[in-house]
Formats: sequence, C-alpha cells, structure tokens
Amino acid sequence: AIRLTQSPSSLSASVGDRVTITCRASQGISSALAWYQQKSGKAPKLLMHDASGLQSGVPSRFSGSGSGTDFTLTISSLQPEDFATYYCQQFNTYPLTFGGGTKVEIK
Amino acid sequence: EVQLVESGGGLVQPGRSLRLSCAASGFIFGDHAMHWVRQPPGKGLEWVSGISWNSGSTGYADSVRGRFTISRDNAKKSLYLQMDSLRPEDTAFYYCAKAPGYCSGASCYSYYYLDVWGKGTTVTVSS
Repeated sequence: AIRLTQSPSSLSASVGDRVTITCRASQGISSALAWYQQKSGKAPKLLMHDASGLQSGVPSRFSGSGSGTDFTLTISSLQPEDFATYYCQQFNTYPLTFGGGTKVEIK
Repeated sequence: EVQLVESGGGLVQPGRSLRLSCAASGFIFGDHAMHWVRQPPGKGLEWVSGISWNSGSTGYADSVRGRFTISRDNAKKSLYLQMDSLRPEDTAFYYCAKAPGYCSGASCYSYYYLDVWGKGTTVTVSS
C-alpha cells in the first residue's frame, strides 16, 4: 500500500498567518491526491482534489500543489474557522490511503 | 440536498457480527461508487472498503479483507457493510462516503476521492 506522510503532525498559528502542510507519498501517484478538513466531532470535508483542484464552495484561500510524491496544502490567510485537522488521501491505487493528519491549532 | 445517513452501529462482542447501513438521498445513487471509511477514537482516517456503481468491482483494506463484505442496493439507495469476526481493533467511527463520477452511455465512471460524507455511526467491539 502507498504510505502518505504528512508534516508537521501539528502546528500552532495565528489568524491571518500563511500555513503550509506537506504530504509525501511513498511512491509516485501523479496528481491523484485529495485534501480533507475535519473539525472536532464532525465528518471530514473535501477541500481539494487532483492535487490542485478546489472543491466547489471551498474558499479560495485554500490552494494545493504538487505531483508525483510531494504535495502541499496552503492556507493563504488563516481564519478562525480553519482550525481543524487536515488529511491528505491518495487515490492513484487501491487500497486508498490517508495521511496521518495535521492538527492546526490556535497560537 | 445530498445526504448520507449511517445506521446499525453499536456495542458487540469480539467474534460477533454487525451490519452497517447507509441511506442516500439527493443524488442518483446508482451512478456513483461508494465507500466506507473508519476512524478509531482519537486517531486518523482509514479507508475500509469501496464498491463500484453497479457492484461489479469491490475493494478492501488488508485489515478487513475476508471479514467484511460491502454491498449495495441501488433500488433502495442503500449501501451496506457486513462485518463478521469483529475484533477490538475494529472499534471506530464508521463513515459512508460518496465518490464523484459521471455516466456515459450504459456505464458510469468514478473518481476515487470522496466528495460527500455521512455523519457516521459508532462501532465498539468489546467483551
């Protein structure tokens, strides 16, 4: 199975900060990567697909990039509602796999 | 409104069985692949199983293959997960999720990310 390694596992940031989360795949997955946001006690929400495709309804302060094995999710200006845990997921190959998550906390 | 509602979770003893259901509404259920994803308490997400639009293809995580069976009834707009030989490590919150896709002619094609999620149901395996 393809392993996804997210870094950092957690971070503290302030409202207005630029935040970058990375996801590294154990083998090349082209652009078959999605990002999800999960708030405490809630189901995950799709943010990005195909590495850089913004899901409908998601604010434009979220952006994604990368291909092959290295990917990033960037929040250009962190808002109070963005404090959550973020997961990457590869869909290049079965079994689908998720990264371990990055918890974004308030500084 | 697109909606997925899971049911069937609960407390079960190790070695016993449980069947989860997911009722879909607000979209053409039969056109889309569907998946189950679980999340142990305080931990990350783990994909469990997926099924194509017409049940012609299924996939399982190694951790559940041979014990869990995914199925669907397009007429009832429902997805199922039959869980047998349950283990304590199967304890988790189980989510039903829809994959986006499109249909052309008599076939449908799925992407393998998950654009709609249910609220989940809790499964606890303990004696």
